[in-house]
Amino acid sequence: GENVEQHPSTLSVQEGDSAVIKCTYSDSASNYFPWYKQELGKRPQLIIDIRSNVGEKKDQRIAVTLNKTAKHFSLHITETQPEDSAVYFCAATWEGGSARQLTFGSGTQLTVLP
Amino acid sequence: DGGITQSPKYLFRKEGQNVTLSCEQNLNHDAMYWYRQDPGQGLRLIYYSQIVNDFQKGDIAEGYSVSREKKESFPLTVTSAQKNPTAFYLCASSNKGTGGHGYTFGSGTRLTVV
Repeated sequence: GENVEQHPSTLSVQEGDSAVIKCTYSDSASNYFPWYKQELGKRPQLIIDIRSNVGEKKDQRIAVTLNKTAKHFSLHITETQPEDSAVYFCAATWEGGSARQLTFGSGTQLTVLP
Repeated sequence: DGGITQSPKYLFRKEGQNVTLSCEQNLNHDAMYWYRQDPGQGLRLIYYSQIVNDFQKGDIAEGYSVSREKKESFPLTVTSAQKNPTAFYLCASSNKGTGGHGYTFGSGTRLTVV
């Protein structure tokens, strides 16, 4: 089965700086890679996703890059703000079936210091 | 709650008791999932269902059971066989196949053994 590793487990940055979270996956068949943000005590919310037919995707201050050859993908947050503080999870799955059993990384606690 | 509702929000279980967590969605999604989240860890898949009256075990199914009698509902029973049930439980749903935007999560149920 798929195995997703995520680093770092904790990350502190100054407000306005950039943050980068990295994930690697093991199953070369995986073709869908979402990122979720989870605030304390709340449900995870999808913030961005990427499919294997593209190498990069941007949405305002958030971007995700994918390197299929190396089997890794990264989340980039620019101009960080205190409200970006949360736990971020990467995930991977193969999208060809009826269900998408996402395999999640272990999470990164991002703290943005004012 | 964005179309998927979990109840109750907090649940206390005595040793040796079975408890059932509710998950209902009105998104017309075919697939539904249960994940367990422990502090500092990622989400681990318990069970998933692609269609009514069918479900499959995930990575940590021991001590849990599910049913899928209706498309909208996917309740999870935590049985007395689950030795360490204290955790945050998340239900999710998704469309079939490719496209779409990953999972929609419920707001979670926090289960505590007392």
